[in-house]
Formats: sequence, C-alpha cells, structure tokens
Amino acid sequence: TQLLEQSPQFLSIQEGENLTVYCNSSSVFSSLQWYRQEPGEGPVLLVTVVTGGEVKKLKRLTFQFGDARKDSSLHITAAQPGDTGLYLCAGRYGNKLVFGAGTILRVKS
Amino acid sequence: KAGVTQTPRYLIKTRGQQVTLSCSPISGHRSVSWYQQTPGQGLQFLFEYFSETQRNKGNFPGRFSGRQFSNSRSEMNVSTLELGDSALYLCASSLEPGSAGANVLTFGAGSRLTVL
Repeated sequence: TQLLEQSPQFLSIQEGENLTVYCNSSSVFSSLQWYRQEPGEGPVLLVTVVTGGEVKKLKRLTFQFGDARKDSSLHITAAQPGDTGLYLCAGRYGNKLVFGAGTILRVKS
Repeated sequence: KAGVTQTPRYLIKTRGQQVTLSCSPISGHRSVSWYQQTPGQGLQFLFEYFSETQRNKGNFPGRFSGRQFSNSRSEMNVSTLELGDSALYLCASSLEPGSAGANVLTFGAGSRLTVL
C-alpha cells in the first residue's frame, strides 16, 4: 500500500487541454514536493509546498497543498507536448522522503 | 556545476550474481540517498548516507547494502541477485540534514539493472 496515492495513473490528452493530477494520503506531511521525470532521466524537483492551503504557480503549472496537509494537486493549463513525462509527488514522512507511484502524462500535438 | 553522476548507466546480470553501483554527488552535497524505481512500485527508498554513516534504511532485505566514502561518493551493492531486482536504481544528493537545502534532492539519471 502506497502512503501517497496518485491519480490518475495515466493521462493522455491533446495539446491545449487542461488537466489536474492528485496526490492523496491519510497521513499529515510537513511538506510535499512534486517532481517530473522524463524517459532516461532522474526526477527533477518542480516545487515544494509547506503550508496548508498554500498555492504556488510555476508558469502554466499550479500546485496546491491541502488545508490539512494530507493532499496536494497539480494543475496544468494549456498542456504542451513538452509537459509529457512522469509526475511524482513526495512527502517527508519521519526521516524519509516517500514517493507516490506517479502519473504518466502524455500530451499529443 | 556537474550534476549527480551514476555509473554504470545500464547493466545486465544473471540470477545469483552481485552488482555494485556508484554515485558521485553534486560538489558540496554530503547527503546521498538511494531509491529503487519499478513500474509497479514506483520509487522505494533504500537508504540514506551522510558523513559516511547510514542515517536511514528502507524495507529491503540485507542483500541490499551501501556505503559512503570520505569524498561523499556512495556505492550500493546487491548480492545474490533475483529477477525481481530488475529496476532503475536512482541516487539523489542534497545538502546536510537539517539544513535549508536538505529537502531539495537532485537525482542522477539512474543505473538500469536487468537480471536474467
């Protein structure tokens, strides 16, 4: 059982569409991170959210941390083929950083 | 500055063999973590090293071991390989625990191990 559940597992959309990826848990995290991983590469950190209710924007990406610090979402506006990749959420649980299983996003042109 | 370097990038082994993977962290990073990534399980934490000492360990059998050298480079070893050990092994480096940058992990490209 994953401590962090991500949904959907796979998403295939057309260029220009909007999408939201979710990361949920029954546990409270002191912070949550989002990473993107492209084929043949390691994950790259996109953002860290630390305060319940916090919203951060990174160009067309909007990240939100739930008020209770148990969940997070990533919203992409007007997706582009360059957004294709594996999106991972990660939370600090005790002394360890635990990851969700990821959402594979494919944006078709 | 150079990123996290992992070697080898690809390797093929047979059941029962052992393998050693290497990770060179970003200059100035003294903490190194290892993860196993598989399609079914995602990223699973293996262990974390700082100052040549193992700080944390995940739920993996004793066949999985690691170490860190005085220059912060790290190696992990898997003995008596099993088919299920086939995975991408990722190394990440960060600043020392407790620092502002401790939560900022920089990953290498990984070592893809195939066990036949």
